[in-house]
Amino acid sequence: NAGVMQNPRHLVRRRGQEARLRCSPMKGHSHVYWYRQLPEEGLKFMVYLQKENIIDESGMPKERFSAEFPKEGPSILRIQQVVRGDSAAYFCASTTNNGQGFEAFFGQGTRLTVV
Amino acid sequence: DAKTTQPTSMDCAEGRAANLPCNHSTISGNEYVYWYRQIHSQGPQYIIHGLKNNETNEMASLIITEDRKSSTLILPHATLRDTAVYYCIGTSGTYKYIFGTGTRLKVLA
Repeated sequence: NAGVMQNPRHLVRRRGQEARLRCSPMKGHSHVYWYRQLPEEGLKFMVYLQKENIIDESGMPKERFSAEFPKEGPSILRIQQVVRGDSAAYFCASTTNNGQGFEAFFGQGTRLTVV
Repeated sequence: DAKTTQPTSMDCAEGRAANLPCNHSTISGNEYVYWYRQIHSQGPQYIIHGLKNNETNEMASLIITEDRKSSTLILPHATLRDTAVYYCIGTSGTYKYIFGTGTRLKVLA
């Protein structure tokens, strides 16, 4: 049973380009979370999605960032017109249910570097 | 979601029990307490969770006080590989984890 898969593991983009980060949840998991971690800081919640539905995007910057979790395929975190401040590790987590008592499983992250 | 307070850092000798405290005085009745750890720059790893009873699994034990205002994560025989940042999280409702700054545990040889 494969864990949460994120790709790419490392991504380098020039300022102004677009970054697309992918997350394949664990088999049977229908809920996905995205977190951002700046160097030497804690994880910050960005967005919580169910298939074809955004449940909570209170942590997403209002501009340039978007997320989706289609019926088929991985969840995508998209950052348009990247800036140096977007350089961070982006972690995805998946879980089976949004009820209580269910642990979330995290991927190994995508490290985005904006040059 | 409950605000949690943890010590910034702790040291533990290898082979000894590591006891990591967490205060969550604002926790409500339906909020679970979760513990995760992050080893170096890897993705966070689930350790254990509980509501009001003490819990044990192959990794750790979780002791929750009767008033639920605090808890302690116990790693019974710490190894060097347990060196990590440990996060205590209280959550309910939409099941959104809010990570604090955690406790940086260093296991010493």
